[in-house]
Amino acid sequence: DTEVTQTPKHLVMGMTNKKSLKCEQHMGHRAMYWYKQKAKKPPELMFVYSYEKLSINESVPSRFSPECPNSSLLNLHLHALQPEDSALYLCASSHILEGGTEAFFGQGTRLTVV
Amino acid sequence: GDSVTQMEGPVTLSEEAFLTINCTYTATGYPSLFWYVQYPGEGLQLLLKATKADDKGSNKGFEATYRKETTSFHLEKGSVQVSDSAVYFCARRAGFQKLVFGTGTRLLVSP
Repeated sequence: DTEVTQTPKHLVMGMTNKKSLKCEQHMGHRAMYWYKQKAKKPPELMFVYSYEKLSINESVPSRFSPECPNSSLLNLHLHALQPEDSALYLCASSHILEGGTEAFFGQGTRLTVV
Repeated sequence: GDSVTQMEGPVTLSEEAFLTINCTYTATGYPSLFWYVQYPGEGLQLLLKATKADDKGSNKGFEATYRKETTSFHLEKGSVQVSDSAVYFCARRAGFQKLVFGTGTRLLVSP
């Protein structure tokens, strides 16, 4: 199983809503990532979890709140978003090894904030 | 800092043409290098990788060689198909956990 599964695939939310994006992998990876991708741009790193602990926060606004409940799951809680937060949100996972290994990406959640 | 530079697109080719997409990286250490492909409306898929100098990654007819002397990792395919139309991202590792992407190159293949 080399899949990273993200739900939902599409999400429309109002600026006062609270919603969550979910990500799951069963490859035994202990690093999990959230990326944000705007149209015609490369993915931008938001957060990294290593061994279920937050290891990197790329100065992301607090209206995005990540959570890693166990080694297979990663959530991104959303609250009071702005229309400019509309984007494709990608989850990824990888092993943690010196020199780095490839990251496996999910299909993404396309988020629209209205 | 760590960065990746890709050629601007779109690259427009006819089916069965030869493809090259250029990628260069900043030479801080010897990072692992990757090519990812993104089809419309989808996430990123790993296409190929190379972890040290002179390594050649290959998959589905695509190849790229890790060139330390020119800090390059150019993607090539001998004969493209319409189904290869997608956006291609070159990427490098930056530390244990960061992946730095190039800006992406859109490939359009016509029949």
